[in-house]
Amino acid sequence: GQNIDQPTEMTATEGAIVQINCTYQTSGFNGLFWYQQHAGEAPTFLSYNVLDGLEEKGRFSSFLSRSKGYSYLLLKELQMKDSASYLCAALDSNYQLIWGAGTKLIIKP
Amino acid sequence: DAMVIQNPRYQVTQFGKPVTLSCSQTLNHNVMYWYQQKSSQAPKLLFHYYDKDFNNEADTPDNFQSRRPNTSFCFLDIRSPGLGDAAMYLCATSNGGQMTDTQYFGPGTRLTVL
Repeated sequence: GQNIDQPTEMTATEGAIVQINCTYQTSGFNGLFWYQQHAGEAPTFLSYNVLDGLEEKGRFSSFLSRSKGYSYLLLKELQMKDSASYLCAALDSNYQLIWGAGTKLIIKP
Repeated sequence: DAMVIQNPRYQVTQFGKPVTLSCSQTLNHNVMYWYQQKSSQAPKLLFHYYDKDFNNEADTPDNFQSRRPNTSFCFLDIRSPGLGDAAMYLCATSNGGQMTDTQYFGPGTRLTVL
């Protein structure tokens, strides 16, 4: 079966760095998305990786290793507004988007 | 600003009473999606339209129907809502028809079934 695994919840301190991991098992692979979702709101696009390596976009970076079926989202200089759920989603060979349940990130002062 | 709009943001209906959720977009995207998301769960794709072509997910119950009268609007009809249908319903759009295209989400409609 197809599966996305990510931690249910993480806690970090304002100003610190946090890494949210995601492992995926899909039939084929056509890229991986990260979305941010604040409570009661819609997901908003953060990043898309299809090649191995790290892509940096401001305070957020996303990494992909296709051979390991692994990705992470790195958030630097954490701010209170970064408290949200972070959803990992992978595209399989049929271009179906397989979603994870999300990682709830709690930022403490 | 170009955006995806969903109305209403909160909808309350009675068990078995049909309800329609609406989505509109000013992005002129050719693909529109409907997702169901329950608390602390992954969004679940119900169906999507590529232009006027309707694509139903295999496990979407018959109780859920959709209409797309034009490029800008898409509706989700729940014919006989059950208690298990209480969820957030998310509309999303993308341009180009490739699933590698970024999906842009509306704010969602939270459905309560009494």
